[in-house]
Amino acid sequence: GQNIDQPTEMTATEGAIVQINCTYQTSGFNGLFWYQQHAGEAPTFLSYNVLDGLEEKGRFSSFLSRSKGYSYLLLKELQMKDSASYLCAAYNYGQNFVFGPGTRLSVLP
Amino acid sequence: GAVVSQHPSRVICKSGTSVKIECRSLDFQATTMFWYRQFPKQSLMLMATSNEGSKATYEQGVEKDKFLINHASLTLSTLTVTSAHPEDSSFYICSASQQGTYEQYFGPGTRLTVT
Repeated sequence: GQNIDQPTEMTATEGAIVQINCTYQTSGFNGLFWYQQHAGEAPTFLSYNVLDGLEEKGRFSSFLSRSKGYSYLLLKELQMKDSASYLCAAYNYGQNFVFGPGTRLSVLP
Repeated sequence: GAVVSQHPSRVICKSGTSVKIECRSLDFQATTMFWYRQFPKQSLMLMATSNEGSKATYEQGVEKDKFLINHASLTLSTLTVTSAHPEDSSFYICSASQQGTYEQYFGPGTRLTVT
């Protein structure tokens, strides 16, 4: 079967660093996406990891370990506008996407 | 580039009626389009995958006769919710991708309310 797990909710303070974890078990795994979704809006692309390691993109970084079936999204210098849901999604061969349950992040002043 | 639109953005319909939602790729040819449903405070649930010119592939548990998907051209896919019921009320999101690429571009979503 296919299973993706994320924490349901997280809270952090403005200016801090937060790490959102994602574990996955899927068939034909090709890579791991991270999306940000504000309430009532469609998801927006943040990152895509295919190889093991850390990819940094401004305040956001994403890490992947294929052998462990594990990824995380790291958000630095948190801002209020970062309050949103963060979805990890496994991309499997055959253009099959499986989304995790999403992590609702609340950034407090 | 890579813009996907959906129409309508919001629709309210009466129970028993049908509703059509359009998904268009505005500046690229979408060989594959995906339809998702999202209930409040939940993640995206893939309903079906459609490739241009062929029948859609539905996920387990999604009724193909209730959710009709047509992908007649490389820039347009439609989802028709037939005989809608209140439990079909949800946020429907489409996404599109180009052949040979991994990224999918999401539309803005359609909020369906069935009364």
